Amino acid sequence: LAKTTQPISMDSYEGQEVNITCSHNNIATNDYITWYQQFPSQGPRFIIQGYKTKVTNEVASLFIPADRKSSTLSLPRVSLSDTAVYYCLVALGGYNKLIFGAGTRLAVHP
Amino acid sequence: DVKVTQSSRYLVKRTGEKVFLECVQDMDHENMFWYRQDPGLGLRLIYFSYDVKMKEKGDIPEGYSVSREKKERFSLILESASTNQTSMYLCASISSRVNTEAFFGQGTRLTVV
Repeated sequence: LAKTTQPISMDSYEGQEVNITCSHNNIATNDYITWYQQFPSQGPRFIIQGYKTKVTNEVASLFIPADRKSSTLSLPRVSLSDTAVYYCLVALGGYNKLIFGAGTRLAVHP
Repeated sequence: DVKVTQSSRYLVKRTGEKVFLECVQDMDHENMFWYRQDPGLGLRLIYFSYDVKMKEKGDIPEGYSVSREKKERFSLILESASTNQTSMYLCASISSRVNTEAFFGQGTRLTVV
């Protein structure tokens, strides 16, 4: 299973764009990259998922380079409510054993 | 629309008690997971199950066991609770299809005194 590495914490200010990068050097051919967000005292919730290139939804974008050894979650114009822990996961397509790392604790300041 | 339900939000048990944490999902998912979460350590996988009566150990199975008699229900059992098992416990489920997302319960905060 691919191991992921993310920064432990990041700080930002309201209105800024935040980019969180995850390294997954041992990603396998069938693995998908998924990001989750967790608020205090809640379970994580899905943000975005991708296999290669760029994926965008209403809350975030996910950039995956051609070698797929890393990925970057981009949050446009963050607000205070984006303060949370963000987890990057790499999982086998079709058989999903979910191994979470420590995540990145994002603090958004006024 | 609640998809993964954990039986208790808060639980206080005494050292040595047998503790059952229940998790039910209504999405017909094959895979279910139990994690514990402690400050600064992220989510650590205790056990997971990829089918009824099937289970595999995660990273920290010691002191825990699990049961999956029905597809929708996955139980975590603390055979003899200890104070170092005080933690937040999270259940999750996910389909075996490609390109899917996991759904988590609201968590059970267990305190062992």
